[in-house]
Parts: sequence; structure tokens; C-alpha cells
Amino acid sequence: EPEVTQTPSHQVTQMGQEVILRCVPISNHLYFYWYRQILGQKVEFLVSFYNNEISEKSEIFDDQFSVERPDGSNFTLKIRSTKLEDSAMYFCASSGGPGFTDTQYFGPGTRLTVL
Amino acid sequence: SQQGEEDPQALSIQEGENATMNCSYKTSINNLQWYRQNSGRGLVHLILIRSNEREKHSGRLRVTLDTSKKSSSLLITASRAADTASYFCATALNSGNTPLVFGKGTRLSVIA
Repeated sequence: EPEVTQTPSHQVTQMGQEVILRCVPISNHLYFYWYRQILGQKVEFLVSFYNNEISEKSEIFDDQFSVERPDGSNFTLKIRSTKLEDSAMYFCASSGGPGFTDTQYFGPGTRLTVL
Repeated sequence: SQQGEEDPQALSIQEGENATMNCSYKTSINNLQWYRQNSGRGLVHLILIRSNEREKHSGRLRVTLDTSKKSSSLLITASRAADTASYFCATALNSGNTPLVFGKGTRLSVIA
């Protein structure tokens, strides 16, 4: 069964450094998302992406965040200058496959630790 | 806020028993989705129920939706130790490209 993949599984970085989290959504899906989950807290929406542009973003998704779909398969989240409070699990998700199913399929996540 | 809230926050049962988790939300929705998360791992989609549906089944899972009460329940029958996980409901305002709003989850422990 097709699945969403994410790399790396764990990223450790110094405060102020840039990180890029990578995702490969399910190949025939049209809609892509990033969510994050701070340890012990609920999953929070960051941004959604469709047709090569951001369709919606939350207040968390400020100027230090950006997303890109550089080719036909990858979907990336860049954090320009990481802060301690960016430490979290970051999940990529995709939806909108044949029949335009609304089910969002999540990847295994990237655990980001900012020191 | 559209926020879903699950209860109980934690539930501990014996293997073979049924587990019921509830979710409440505040605004009208298009659909509601239930996910499972094993400790520190990814989110596994369990079931989606639309606002015009009242009940859905998938294997040992039964989900109900009461839009008049803005609530949903997830029933796991004949629980197994492998069902130990956190369970989240997530609501979507619209169909298609729309963010999910997650609740805080119910931590289920199934004791063998």
C-alpha cells in the first residue's frame, strides 16, 4: 500500500540554524500538509499546499517557515532560523487521491530537536 | 474554535474488553477522522465518517457521529494488547484541501 515517507527520522540542530525536512507524499495525491506535535501536546496544523502554492496556513507558520515542492515527488518544510520552541515532531500528510478522498495519510514524522 | 476534545484522557482496560472513546467539537464539520498513534510514532488513519453518516464499521472498530450533539465515539471491541496507543479525533470543516483540527487524544492501555 502506498505511504507517505519522511526524512530524516530525527534531526538535531543548533538554535539559529536552518533545517529542511523532507517528505514524499503518496504519488497520486493532490493536497499536501505539514503538521507538528510538541511533546505531550496535540497535533497542530501548519500549512496546506495545492497546485504549487500555499492554500492555507496557521498562525504558527510565520516568516521563518517555508514550503516547496521542488520536483514531482518531494515536498519540503524549511525552518530558516530554528528556535528552541521549534523542537517537535513534524508530520507530513497528503490527501486527494483518486475519487478525491478526504482521508489524510500521515508520514512517520521527523523528530526535530533544537539545542 | 473547531477543536475536538476527547474523553477520557486516559483509559485502562483488560484484554478482551471493549474500549469506548468520545470526541466533542464545537463547529459544523464536513467529516471527522480517527487516528491512532503509538508512542512517539506516526499517525495511523483508522476511519473517516462524514457529517451525513451516523455510524461506520471497520473490523473491530465502530464509529458513531451525532451532529446534533457535535460528538463522536470510537468503540474498539475485543481489545488486544496491541491496541495500546493514543487515539485522536480530527475534524475537517470542508471536503477537499482542508486542515484537520486534532483533539488532545485518549491514551488507551490494554492490559494482557
